[in-house]
Amino acid sequence: KAGVTQTPRYLIKTRGQQVTLSCSPISGHRSVSWYQQTPGQGLQFLFEYFSETQRNKGNFPGRFSGRQFSNSRSEMNVSTLELGDSALYLCASSFPRVQETQYFGPGTRLLVL
Amino acid sequence: QKEVEQNSGPLSVPEGAIASLNCTYSDRGSQSFFWYRQYSGKSPELIMFIYSNGDKEDGRFTAQLNKASQYVSLLIRDSQPSDSATYLCAVITSNTGKLIFGQGTTLQVKP
Repeated sequence: KAGVTQTPRYLIKTRGQQVTLSCSPISGHRSVSWYQQTPGQGLQFLFEYFSETQRNKGNFPGRFSGRQFSNSRSEMNVSTLELGDSALYLCASSFPRVQETQYFGPGTRLLVL
Repeated sequence: QKEVEQNSGPLSVPEGAIASLNCTYSDRGSQSFFWYRQYSGKSPELIMFIYSNGDKEDGRFTAQLNKASQYVSLLIRDSQPSDSATYLCAVITSNTGKLIFGQGTTLQVKP
């Protein structure tokens, strides 16, 4: 069974731009969670989607948003990028709820200049 | 107080020794606990999960949970250099249902 896939793998943007990251969960998984990982803050929860609905949200500003499609694929968007948004963005999928074990994708490394 | 706390390390052990990684959590009602391994430049990989008090063994890995002390640990027996990585403890909090990660402990296994 294919694992979680994320695109793109690497991205360079400048301050003020916006970015959209994509995540395809493991087949059959309906829950998708997003995390931001930085050396200083570690792994921080962004949000979780289940059946196209945001079920949980972390403590991030409104510039961070996401959505989930009917095929369980998910996207996250960051608008008005700041230097501090440079991080590894990880997507994880699980079946059928977040309490089940989560499997991570390879991540998207975002650099904001 | 952080929701999930780990000693950042590095924890250095010789090859063949037992590595003991510890984690404490603040939400007494938490029910689900996970250990992930993360190699440098890679994404976290699930090693084990534990839900009940006591020990759970899987190969060279043993997870230990003590809910009364709000403490979960991971033992790695016969440590190998390939075990050198950052180990992340994660807890699903009862009040929010979110999976919260500790900062991770870096393990170095020296040949």
